[in-house]
Amino acid sequence: AQKVTQAQTEISVVEKEDVTLDCVYETRDTTYYLFWYKQPPSGELVFLIRRNSFDEQNEISGRYSWNFQKSTSSFNFTITASQVVDSAVYFCALSDDSGGSNYKLTFGKGTLLTVNP
Amino acid sequence: DTGVSQNPRHKITKRGQNVTFRCDPISEHNRLYWYRQTLGQGPEFLTYFQNEAQLEKSRLLSDRFSAERPKGSFSTLEIQRTEQGDSAMYLCASSPRTIISASPLHFGNGTRLTVT
Repeated sequence: AQKVTQAQTEISVVEKEDVTLDCVYETRDTTYYLFWYKQPPSGELVFLIRRNSFDEQNEISGRYSWNFQKSTSSFNFTITASQVVDSAVYFCALSDDSGGSNYKLTFGKGTLLTVNP
Repeated sequence: DTGVSQNPRHKITKRGQNVTFRCDPISEHNRLYWYRQTLGQGPEFLTYFQNEAQLEKSRLLSDRFSAERPKGSFSTLEIQRTEQGDSAMYLCASSPRTIISASPLHFGNGTRLTVT
């Protein structure tokens, strides 16, 4: 069975601090996909990134960066120079590649990030 | 706005009543999903449609739940004889047909159900 663990329930930082959100996953599949979603107070889940299991290159997008380490089954997310608008719940999710129709995302419980001014 | 649209945003109902939610996906997306999210938890998969065909239902979807997607466009999720445990946010998502696996899901704002 697939499982995603986000051990940090809540994180509080002061604006401009860097913050890393941890994600550890479990799967028996050799092909799988990892995602991060942001859920602001409005409730809509916003897609941030997708990674497949064969691509271990780290990625940077503006202030966001992701560190995928297959050896430790981790897919951590770092926000550099955090801003108040980054305050939200962040979810890590895992999907297998069952016949190419991977539609079932297994989500972690989320990490509530609060960025204080 | 061309995102996923869900109605209503909030629904309060008494235990035992039936409720129906609607989801309008992004127009060119042929895949539609329903997820449920309870407080402090991540979303959990309920069911999935490809066009009008319902291809999978989670064990979470009891026989009181039924989902439809007539003509492969909008979808409805009905809960019969609601129970307090049904209180949750019901999220709809859609994704396009693509040869690339794992298209990101585009989520709506959800319908928050409160059963009293």
